[in-house]
Amino acid sequence: EPEVTQTPSHQVTQMGQEVILRCVPISNHLYFYWYRQILGQKVEFLVSFYNNEISEKSEIFDDQFSVERPDGSNFTLKIRSTKLEDSAMYFCASSEFVGGNYGYTFGSGTRLTVV
Amino acid sequence: EDQVTQSPEALRLQEGESSSLNCSYTVSGLRGLFWYRQDPGKGPEFLFTLYSAGEEKEKERLKATLTKKESFLHITAPKPEDSATYLCAVRTFGGDAGGTSYGKLTFGQGTILTVHP
Repeated sequence: EPEVTQTPSHQVTQMGQEVILRCVPISNHLYFYWYRQILGQKVEFLVSFYNNEISEKSEIFDDQFSVERPDGSNFTLKIRSTKLEDSAMYFCASSEFVGGNYGYTFGSGTRLTVV
Repeated sequence: EDQVTQSPEALRLQEGESSSLNCSYTVSGLRGLFWYRQDPGKGPEFLFTLYSAGEEKEKERLKATLTKKESFLHITAPKPEDSATYLCAVRTFGGDAGGTSYGKLTFGQGTILTVHP
C-alpha cells in the first residue's frame, strides 16, 4: 500500500537553528499538508499546498515557517529559527483529491525536539 | 470557530465488550467528518469519511454514524489489537474568499481506547 514517507524520524536542534523536515508524498497525490501535534495535545493544521503554492495556512504558520516542493517527489517544511515551543511531532499528509472517501494519508511523523 | 469535542477521553473495555465513542462538532459548514486511528508514535491512519446526517460506514468491528451535531464510532466485540487513540476531524468551508476549503482538518483531542484480554 502506498505510503507517505517522512525523514528524519527524530530531530534534535538547538534553539535558534534552522530545521528542514522532509516528506515524500504518495506519487499520484496533488494536495499536500503539514500538521503538528504537541505532546498531549490535538493534531493542529499548519498549511496546505496545491499547484505549487500555499492554498491555506493557520495562525501558527507565521513567517518562521515555509514550505517547498523542490522537485517532483519531495515536500519540505522549514522552520527558520526554532523556538522551544516548536517542539512537537510534525506530520506530513497528502491526498489525491480534497476530502474524498479516501481521506488524507499521513506519514509516521518527525519528532522535533528543540533544546 | 470550528469546535470538535470527543468523549470519553479514555475508555477501558474488556475483550468482546461493545461500546461507542462520541464526537460532537460545531462548525459553520461541514464538508466531511473523518475518523482516524492513531497508534503511539505514529501518524493518524484513515478509517472513514462521512458527509451527511444519517450516513453510516462499516469496517470490520467498527461502524461510524453521523447526525447533524455528532458522530459515533461503534466498536463491536473489540479485540486487544483495537487499542489505540481514535481521532475525529472535520473539514469545513473556508480557505479562500469563495469558501473553498483545501483540506484543512480540525481535530478533536481523541479517545484513548484500551481493550483488555
